[in-house]
Amino acid sequence: AQSVTQLGSHVSVSEGALVLLRCNYSSSVPPYLFWYVQYPNQGLQLLLKYTSAATLVKGINGFEAEFKKSETSFHLTKPSAHMSDAAEYFCAVISTSGTYKYIFGTGTRLKVLA
Amino acid sequence: GAVVSQHPSWVICKSGTSVKIECRSLDFQATTMFWYRQFPKQSLMLMATSNEGSKATYEQGVEKDKFLINHASLTLSTLTVTSAHPEDSSFYICSATAGVSYEQYFGPGTRLTVT
Repeated sequence: AQSVTQLGSHVSVSEGALVLLRCNYSSSVPPYLFWYVQYPNQGLQLLLKYTSAATLVKGINGFEAEFKKSETSFHLTKPSAHMSDAAEYFCAVISTSGTYKYIFGTGTRLKVLA
Repeated sequence: GAVVSQHPSWVICKSGTSVKIECRSLDFQATTMFWYRQFPKQSLMLMATSNEGSKATYEQGVEKDKFLINHASLTLSTLTVTSAHPEDSSFYICSATAGVSYEQYFGPGTRLTVT
């Protein structure tokens, strides 16, 4: 069965610093992977997705993620953090066992320090 | 494109009453809709999956008689919390898929508070 692990439930970075949010997955088949952002009391907004095309995926708001099969990772990065990036971030993989559904990681709360 | 709306955005109800939450796909036909529940500072928990005209498939541990899901059309799904109690207070989020796309499009969520 697939699973998603997000290391670090809380990450703090200074404004202008590199953002790195970690996501590791387990899957027996090539996965479809997603990163979503959630602002307080809002739904999820798609940042980017990996669907077995290019391994380096660029998303919105300057975020990107690199799919590394050998490391079973799909870490999210942004070169320079902005105050508006403070939010909850979720990594998700599509389950291929049984019915279609997302499997979400536990989330990482990003705090940006002025 | 691919916009999903939810109504209401927040609702307060008294214990023992029922409340209905609507989820609509505004600019596409949703082949499948999903209902999630999210507790504070936690991840999303899938409650059920529904296809238009079919009975919803509930995840293990979700009371189907308490959380009634109706998917009456390709653009509308409703979640009714019956005989709500304070422990049902939560943030409920719906999502939908369109056609053969693997991506889910999420609604803005509904905050339910049961007093």
